[in-house]
Amino acid sequence: KAGVTQTPRYLIKTRGQQVTLSCSPISGHRSVSWYQQTPGQGLQFLFEYFSETQRNKGNFPGRFSGRQFSNSRSEMNVSTLELGDSALYLCASSLGLDRVASGANVLTFGAGSRLTVL
Amino acid sequence: AQSVTQPDIHITVSEGASLELRCNYSYGATPYLFWYVQSPGQGLQLLLKYFSGDTLVQGIKGFEAEFKRSQSSFNLRKPSVHWSDAAEYFCAVGLYTGGFKTIFGAGTRLFVKA
Repeated sequence: KAGVTQTPRYLIKTRGQQVTLSCSPISGHRSVSWYQQTPGQGLQFLFEYFSETQRNKGNFPGRFSGRQFSNSRSEMNVSTLELGDSALYLCASSLGLDRVASGANVLTFGAGSRLTVL
Repeated sequence: AQSVTQPDIHITVSEGASLELRCNYSYGATPYLFWYVQSPGQGLQLLLKYFSGDTLVQGIKGFEAEFKRSQSSFNLRKPSVHWSDAAEYFCAVGLYTGGFKTIFGAGTRLFVKA
């Protein structure tokens, strides 16, 4: 089956612009999580969506937002871009169910969207 | 607050030598623990997970990890490293906060020398 697909793979923006990133989860996965990866910081959790509802949110400013559609596809948006927003943005999907033992919450990651802000 | 600490930013081992990557977590309840690997140019891949039961868990590519509750640790090991194991390794803890959230450590980059 198809994996997690993220688009675009690479993009360059300038300060003050906004950007929208897209994520298509594995078929049947209803949970989508977003992470920001920068050198030395590891993966910082942005937010998690399940059935179009945001269930968890990380410690990022309001410029970072997201949404999920009825087909489980998700988008994240960053407004008023800053140089420090340059990063690899990773999307991961899972079944998202409350059944830990079944591995329902193991994340499958996409290849990421590499954002460079100039 | 929940956190994951990987004390070693990078480690270098010789091919064929044993490997241990350290991971400590801070979480009040029973943790759900993971190790992921990110190879150059590739996405993050699950190596192994611990949810309950046997504290020594086996993963892919010959890796294993041991959960030690008394030390709040979940160290990753491999008896003999191959050059293809060079990658960045991330320890993570999963928790329920209205939904399941996975928190990652900063990662340990493994270099393998011939």
